[in-house]
This record gives sequence, C-alpha cells and structure tokens, in this order.
Amino acid sequence: AQKVTQAQTEISVVEKEDVTLDCVYETRDTTYYLFWYKQPPSGELVFLIRRNSFDEQNEISGRYSWNFQKSTSSFNFTITASQVVDSAVYFCALKGSGNTGKLIFGQGTTLQVKP
Amino acid sequence: GAGVSQTPSNKVTEKGKYVELRCDPISGHTALYWYRQSLGQGPEFLIYFQGTGAADDSGLPNDRFFAVRPEGSVSTLKIQRTERGDSAVYLCASSPTGQLYNEQFFGPGTRLTVL
Repeated sequence: AQKVTQAQTEISVVEKEDVTLDCVYETRDTTYYLFWYKQPPSGELVFLIRRNSFDEQNEISGRYSWNFQKSTSSFNFTITASQVVDSAVYFCALKGSGNTGKLIFGQGTTLQVKP
Repeated sequence: GAGVSQTPSNKVTEKGKYVELRCDPISGHTALYWYRQSLGQGPEFLIYFQGTGAADDSGLPNDRFFAVRPEGSVSTLKIQRTERGDSAVYLCASSPTGQLYNEQFFGPGTRLTVL
C-alpha cells in the first residue's frame, strides 16, 4: 500500500521565521516520484516541486528548499524567512510506478504566517 | 496558455438529483484525472483517463459515479442520485502524458453541495 503522512496539521509562525513542513511516505515501489503542492485560500493547487526516487540531491529554489532522504522515507520542505503570502495549505504527494499515475496525497499542513 | 478549467465553480443540488461536472484540460494533454477533496483533507483519486479511455477507475466510490471523455479532451463527471456525503470539492487535473514524471496541473475545482 502507498501512503503519505503529514503529521503537522497546522503550523503558525511569525513573518521572517524559518519553517519546515514534514512529509513521510510509504511505498514498495523502487521507482516513484514525490511532489509538493501549495493550495492558497483561492483553492487552486499549485505545483511546487517534483523529485524522483533516484535523485536524493537536496534542492533550493529561492526561499524554498527540499530535503529528500530515502533512508527515513522523508521529503521535507523548508521555507526560509517566511512571508505572509506563504500562508496556505501545503500537500505532499506520491506517485508510484505500481499505479497508473494517480497522486496519493497527504492530509496537508496548514501554514499561517503572521505579520 | 490557458490552464485547466472547470464548470460550474459551484453547484448546489438536492439529495437524489443528478449532476454533471465538466473539466477542460490544458490543450494537448492526453492524461486527465479527477479527484475529490473533502474539507480538511487531501485530494483523493477518483479516475484517470488516458486519451478517451478510463485507464484506472478504482477510486470511484460506487456505481452512482461515472465519468466520460468521448473525444479525448473535455471530461464530464456524472453523479446519480446524489447523497449529502457527496458534498466536496471535485478537482480535475491534466498532464502532458501519463508518464510517472509528469506533474499534474489542477483546475480551480467545482464545489458541490448536496442539501
């Protein structure tokens, strides 16, 4: 079975703080992809990043960075110097080679950044 | 270019009625997905189309739910004899192909309320 767990339901930080959103996944597939999506209050899911199971290099994009560790089945997302506009629900998702390309989503983490 | 569009944006219906939800994918995308998102939850997979055919309908909850994509572009999700438990946001996504590495681009969703 495939599963994604985002244990943090809600996180609240003050602007300029760094924040890390946790994601733990389960799969028996050797080839799989992990994704992060952002869902702002408007509701539309926005793609942030994709990572394949063979590439454990961490990635940085501006204030965003991602830490992929196969040893712990984790794919954590860090926002540096958070801003109010980062307030949203963030979803981690898994797509395994054993399925037909559907995304398995976690429950989501609601991030609130206060001014 | 235009993103994924969904109509209507909101649909209110009475228990027992029939509803149709429409999805217009990004032009040229052969893969199309339907998901359902309940309040406070991550999206849950319903059905996946590759071209005109349903490649995976394992997520459809029961036989009241049906979807079509007759010309390989626009898709319609049909719900018969609606129940209050069907109330949710129905999301459509498309990707260039059904390949594992393709990210999915989501539409704004249709909020369905069954009274």
